[in-house]
Amino acid sequence: DAKTTQPNSMESNEEEPVHLPCNHSTISGTDYIHWYRQLPSQGPEYVIHGLTSNVNNRMASLAIAEDRKSSTLILHRATLRDAAVYYCILRLYSGAGSYQLTFGKGTKLSVIP
Amino acid sequence: EAQVTQNPRYLITVTGKKLTVTCSQNMNHEYMSWYRQDPGLGLRQIYYSMNVEVTDKGDVPEGYKVSRKEKRNFPLILESPSPNQTSLYFCASSLAPPRVETQYFGPGTRLLVL
Repeated sequence: DAKTTQPNSMESNEEEPVHLPCNHSTISGTDYIHWYRQLPSQGPEYVIHGLTSNVNNRMASLAIAEDRKSSTLILHRATLRDAAVYYCILRLYSGAGSYQLTFGKGTKLSVIP
Repeated sequence: EAQVTQNPRYLITVTGKKLTVTCSQNMNHEYMSWYRQDPGLGLRQIYYSMNVEVTDKGDVPEGYKVSRKEKRNFPLILESPSPNQTSLYFCASSLAPPRVETQYFGPGTRLLVL
């Protein structure tokens, strides 16, 4: 199964951009790249997803490498509320119609006031 | 309001005493799943269900059972809990693949098995 690799932790100053990297060198052509985050004492929440092209939404941007072996989640202006664990996930889909989500250990982002 | 609910939120039990954690969603989602979260291990999928009466094992299914008799409900059953099942459990739902949709997670159930 394709897996993801993320740094254990990162720090950012408040109101500065944050780039969270993810490596997925064994990704297959049908795997979508999803990002979720988990705030303290809460369930994970969706951030963004993409397949090949870069994606933007109100929360973040997702930059996907041309070979799709890595991606970067970009928070344009970090706030204290963005302090969370960020998970990069490949949504695996098999031709048999079933699939599995595999979360890694994620990156714990700390935001410094 | 679209949501996934879990009950109970906190549970303390003893080894071997059967328990059920309920999960319900109000979004008419086909896909539902259970995860456990342990320090240093992240989130691991226990079981998932593609639709009513269709379930499959995730990464860590041993010691757990699930059922999907109705679309909105996906209970997690521990028939003989053991201390190594002490964990934080999350239920999630989404539309089914191949549609690529976000997963909605419940608030979590913290289980302690003595």
